[in-house]
Amino acid sequence: DTAVSQTPKYLVTQMGNDKSIKCEQNLGHDTMYWYKQDSKKFLKIMFSYNNKELIINETVPNRFSPKSPDKAHLNLHINSLELGDSAVYFCASGEVGFDSYNEQFFGPGTRLTVL
Amino acid sequence: AQSVTQLGSHVSVSEGALVLLRCNYSSSVPPYLFWYVQYPNQGLQLLLKYTSAATLVKGINGFEAEFKKSETSFHLTKPSAHMSDAAEYFCAVRGEDNYGQNFVFGPGTRLSVLP
Repeated sequence: DTAVSQTPKYLVTQMGNDKSIKCEQNLGHDTMYWYKQDSKKFLKIMFSYNNKELIINETVPNRFSPKSPDKAHLNLHINSLELGDSAVYFCASGEVGFDSYNEQFFGPGTRLTVL
Repeated sequence: AQSVTQLGSHVSVSEGALVLLRCNYSSSVPPYLFWYVQYPNQGLQLLLKYTSAATLVKGINGFEAEFKKSETSFHLTKPSAHMSDAAEYFCAVRGEDNYGQNFVFGPGTRLSVLP
């Protein structure tokens, strides 16, 4: 019973291609996130979705677009892939609210390699 | 805006020795603080969290952390290191806006345990 799952685990592709990474959570959380972890292990939040609405959109190129068909899924679509997009992408989910601790639960990650 | 610093990108200890990983934060509101661990090729797993209930927080795998407001610190310790503790450790603070939806992660500290 994986709480937060991502597919694929590994993704190798050529520059210029379009790819998607899927994420699903079965924790009933109302907020989901995408993070990018670079080669130095630095974690940067990219997006979050709360009840199908984009709440946070950091300074991420518009080639990246999150898509959420329902609150259990948040997919990440990337257009025109570039070498610099190579990284590990993590999906996470959490319960957000004024009294919530907002503990986040992470998926296993998707290692994207752009050639 | 909040920030998190972790002193020492790499810490090495001998098996059985004390583990001390440092975390300092800045926040304009009472913080909620977290430590996550990332084992090689895996996602992030919550070790422990501070939510103002007690300043000394116990987590999984024998780790604990102490919140010190005067020092704006939340250092992670373990009395006796085990080989299986070798991993990347991240300190994080809950965001101040949007009901704390945004997490801010520190840059991480890689812990090596020597036999």
